[in-house]
Amino acid sequence: DAGVIQSPRHEVTEMGQEVTLRCKPISGHDYLFWYRQTMMRGLELLIYFNNNVPIDDSGMPEDRFSAKMPNASFSTLKIQPSEPRDSAVYFCASSLRGLHNEQFFGPGTRLTVL
Amino acid sequence: GDSVTQMEGPVTLSEEAFLTINCTYTATGYPSLFWYVQYPGEGLQLLLKATKADDKGSNKGFEATYRKETTSFHLEKGSVQVSDSAVYFCAVVSYNFNKFYFGSGTKLNVKP
Repeated sequence: DAGVIQSPRHEVTEMGQEVTLRCKPISGHDYLFWYRQTMMRGLELLIYFNNNVPIDDSGMPEDRFSAKMPNASFSTLKIQPSEPRDSAVYFCASSLRGLHNEQFFGPGTRLTVL
Repeated sequence: GDSVTQMEGPVTLSEEAFLTINCTYTATGYPSLFWYVQYPGEGLQLLLKATKADDKGSNKGFEATYRKETTSFHLEKGSVQVSDSAVYFCAVVSYNFNKFYFGSGTKLNVKP
């Protein structure tokens, strides 16, 4: 298996622009997670899905952030409008049958908002 | 609420030294406990896990024992290598509430 695939790997944009991060989970996995990692705040769980349905979005920082999972093999995290404080590494992870099982992380997308 | 507390880093050791990274948790019910490792420039990967009291998780020479009486899950390794240099994250899943929490991470530097 190719593992969790994220794109792009690096994104540089200007403040106010829309940013879309993409994730393809491991085939057959039914849970998908989005995380944000910064030096100041560490690793934060933003949202997770089960069978394409959002279960817990309490970590989404504000309305500028939105996430979708239109099918079992694709998810997006969108920031509109982006701000410099959104600069971070965003990870997608997937797992099989729940939070108690191993999460497999993608390589991350490094986002820089100027 | 539920939480995880890890010792602050960075931890700097010489090769073949003994490693302990402390982790304590607060959770209701019977949580599952994890250690994840993040190598430079990569995503996290599972190192070991334990799902009930007194369980010992082990992998690649690392061990951690689920201690319910002290609510701890300390990570240990008898002899570290330079290749163990990474950031280590303790994590807890509270079964009752289906919530997942990572600790703040502890950076380990191993010098030759």
